[in-house]
Amino acid sequence: NAGVTQTPKFQVLKTGQSMTLQCAQDMNHNSMYWYRQDPGMGLRLIYYSASEGTTDKGEVPNGYNVSRLNKREFSLRLESAAPSQTSVYFCASSGGTGANSPLHFGNGTRLTVT
Amino acid sequence: GENVEQHPSTLSVQEGDSAVIKCTYSDSASNYFPWYKQELGKRPQLIIDIRSNVGEKKDQRIAVTLNKTAKHFSLHITETQPEDSAVYFCAASIGGGGGADGLTFGKGTHLIIQP
Repeated sequence: NAGVTQTPKFQVLKTGQSMTLQCAQDMNHNSMYWYRQDPGMGLRLIYYSASEGTTDKGEVPNGYNVSRLNKREFSLRLESAAPSQTSVYFCASSGGTGANSPLHFGNGTRLTVT
Repeated sequence: GENVEQHPSTLSVQEGDSAVIKCTYSDSASNYFPWYKQELGKRPQLIIDIRSNVGEKKDQRIAVTLNKTAKHFSLHITETQPEDSAVYFCAASIGGGGGADGLTFGKGTHLIIQP
C-alpha cells in the first residue's frame, strides 16, 4: 500500500518555465490537498479538492493551478515559475469530509526556481 | 480565516524531561486539532489529534489538552527520548465541509533532545 505518491522528488526550473507536480493516492480518499513548506512559515495550503470534480483555493493560490483528474489523482501546475515559488511542496489526502480527519502526506517535491 | 500561533519556535530539553508546546487559534468554530511530527527531510506525520468535544487525549508518552474557552491547545511529551527530536506542527480546522476547508498550521517548533 503506497499511500500518497508524489513525483518528481526534485526539480530545478528557470524563471518562466512551467511544470506539473503529480500526486496520486491509493487509499480511496475523497479529499486531497497541496501545501507548500518554507523555512519558518509552516505548511500553507495552496489548493484543495474536497471531492472528485471540485477544487478550491487555499491561503496562497496565486501562480498555481490544479486539476482533480479523478478520485486518485490531484496535480499542481506552475504556468510561469518564479523564484518566490522555490519551496518544498507536499500533497496530502484525507478520508473524511472536510479537514476534520487525519492528513496523509506524500514525501514532498523540492522545487528550486532560478 | 483561521490563524494559528505556535510557541516556542525552538525548545531544548534534557533527555528524560518533559516538553510542552503551545498553540492558540483564532476561529471559535474550529473543531479539529491535530499535531504532526516532521523529522529532517521527511514528510509530516500525524502523532495525535483531538476534537472539540474532548478536553484531553493521551497516547503513551504523548498527550494533548484543549481549552476551548481560551482557544488554546498544547502538546505534552513526557520522558523525552532522542527519537523525539523533530519539528512539531500544530493545526486547526473548521472542517465539516460547507465552506472553509483544509488545515491551518502553526509555524512549527523545533524540539531538540539533549543527551
